[in-house]
Amino acid sequence: QKEVEQDPGPLSVPEGAIVSLNCTYSNSAFQYFMWYRQYSRKGPELLMYTYSSGNKEDGRFTAQVDKSSKYISLFIRDSQPSDSATYLCAMSAPDYGQNFVFGPGTRLSVLP
Amino acid sequence: GAGVSQSPSNKVTEKGKDVELRCDPISGHTALYWYRQSLGQGLEFLIYFQGNSAPDKSGLPSDRFSAERTGGSVSTLTIQRTQQEDSAVYLCASSSRDRGLNEQFFGPGTRLTVL
Repeated sequence: QKEVEQDPGPLSVPEGAIVSLNCTYSNSAFQYFMWYRQYSRKGPELLMYTYSSGNKEDGRFTAQVDKSSKYISLFIRDSQPSDSATYLCAMSAPDYGQNFVFGPGTRLSVLP
Repeated sequence: GAGVSQSPSNKVTEKGKDVELRCDPISGHTALYWYRQSLGQGLEFLIYFQGNSAPDKSGLPSDRFSAERTGGSVSTLTIQRTQQEDSAVYLCASSSRDRGLNEQFFGPGTRLTVL
């Protein structure tokens, strides 16, 4: 079993839809949970991060962490074609030092 | 300001040849990372430099891979005797904090194709 699992997609939705992206993980020591967005031929960029459990909202984006289920989610409201990208979850634990464990990414297409 | 830059953006090489990939981190960032991204795979950690400390090489897949960071700034990832399975995008990232969440800023990557 991989440490971090993520449905690779592709996921296609119409403009304006609510998008739900998810990751599951196996290591209960993970404390930082991050979502990166990667446009084609670009490096990933940090979108949101959450420490431990709970929700965090930033504009149209909401990140949720459920540590009891080892499950994290990223919701995108009122999706736009400019949201079309690959979304990678990443996690870190204190004993990982400065290293993150990344999921494989979900490719999202928002159709106009 | 300038972000992380990498060169070349694309590299095509023949099996068995050596390649060097370069990363220029954001000025002042003390930490530098190399990752490999293959199709359908997550980012695979390769190596991590922090200041003047010994690098964490735990992610290097074989002794054909090596990296150095000169003067705490520019880094070079070297792959010797390249194999077809080395084909991937090689990403470099840098960060400035060593406590809490250290946001990593990524470069655009070098796309390596080994024929």
